[in-house]
Amino acid sequence: QLQLQESGPGLVKPSETLSLTCTFSGGSISGTSYYWVWIRQPPGKGLECIGGISSTGTTYYNPSLKSRVTISVDTSKNHFSLRLSSVTAADTAVYYCARQSFGFGELAWFDPWGQGTLVNVSS
Amino acid sequence: QSVLTQPPSVSGAPGQRVTISCTGSSSNIGAGYDVHWYRQPPGTAPKLLIYGNNNRPSGVPDRFSGSKSGTSASLAITGLQAEDEAEYYCQSYDSSLSNSVFGGGTQLTVL
Repeated sequence: QLQLQESGPGLVKPSETLSLTCTFSGGSISGTSYYWVWIRQPPGKGLECIGGISSTGTTYYNPSLKSRVTISVDTSKNHFSLRLSSVTAADTAVYYCARQSFGFGELAWFDPWGQGTLVNVSS
Repeated sequence: QSVLTQPPSVSGAPGQRVTISCTGSSSNIGAGYDVHWYRQPPGTAPKLLIYGNNNRPSGVPDRFSGSKSGTSASLAITGLQAEDEAEYYCQSYDSSLSNSVFGGGTQLTVL
């Protein structure tokens, strides 16, 4: 059974860097047909795609977050990570990791998803 | 303001049919990119419901179906059941943003 699990601090201070890791189990993160992505959902609001990375390290980022985001992958540990710098209260959200299918040059659907982890930005 | 537009809420009685619309533009749905749908019950992670406009993953009942035309897509749910109450999101790819984009979500209420 394919599973993704987020881990990391649930509380981050304003202006600091949010760091999360997502571990994939039940398969290898080294497949060529997928991107590994981060998606967030502020409390009571909708979903926002932060960005993703292929197993070979090709990345894409949400233009509105690009200057603050770094996504990396470690195939030896079967996990990928998110770093979001200079956080503010507006970055408080449930952060999900997911696998995104990629085919015919198109980034496609997200499946499966992790259970999500709430990150609160507060002093 | 989401790139894809969905109605905030829809409702229907048990057994009825409801549809949820998802309207985009020439840089996403209208450009030919596929539309995917997710279901998110309260307090849980979204789960894939429809992929590639009209395909159901294994385990999703055929009461759920998707369609796409022009710059819009729709999710139809027939034989409405109480367990269908959830938030539903559409998703596609936007070439001007070079990013995947979501609709704002639609809350389905079963009366």
